Amino acid sequence: DARVTQTPRHKVTEMGQEVTMRCQPILGHNTVFWYRQTMMQGLELLAYFRNRAPLDDSGMPKDRFSAEMPDATLATLKIQPSEPRDSAVYFCASGFGGNSPLHFGNGTRLTVT
Amino acid sequence: GENVEQHPSTLSVQEGDSAVIKCTYSDSASNYFPWYKQELGKRPQLIIDIRSNVGEKKDQRIAVTLNKTAKHFSLHITETQPEDSAVYFCAAAGNNNDMRFGAGTRLTVKP
Repeated sequence: DARVTQTPRHKVTEMGQEVTMRCQPILGHNTVFWYRQTMMQGLELLAYFRNRAPLDDSGMPKDRFSAEMPDATLATLKIQPSEPRDSAVYFCASGFGGNSPLHFGNGTRLTVT
Repeated sequence: GENVEQHPSTLSVQEGDSAVIKCTYSDSASNYFPWYKQELGKRPQLIIDIRSNVGEKKDQRIAVTLNKTAKHFSLHITETQPEDSAVYFCAAAGNNNDMRFGAGTRLTVKP
């Protein structure tokens, strides 16, 4: 059963530090999404890619967040510098785009103190 | 971009009763509407989806209905069981193939 893999599962860091979260989409999927979830709230869309090209990152705070896909097997989300309000679970999801479902990874739980 | 609203935010039912969750969307070009279930501490998982060329779809105790004219869709769970307790999210795929989610409904099924 193919899965989206996210690392790390948990990250605790101090305010001001750089945080990098990684995602390996399911092989063959051409769309990758990053979502943020706080306290079991809604899934806030941060950015998404199609065929490795960024389509929309308007949901991200541009001054501190950046998202990239160095290759088809890796997507990264970076926060620099991190702030306590960034504490949340960050989910990566991949799919075939269009009318197809997204498959979620297990998320990275980030705590910024 | 697409905007999805979901109601209610919390829902409590007795075991065996039905549960209904409703969503509206703003982008008339949206044509794909999945529903996800998220258990505590876990990832969202797809439970059912519907495309704009059909008005209803059913899978055992779960059904979805879609009204494209009114731009709303609903999830219906019949004969609820305690293991149905979770947070449910609706979503809509918009013009740019982005997928926007509703704020979620926390369903509690009391034994």
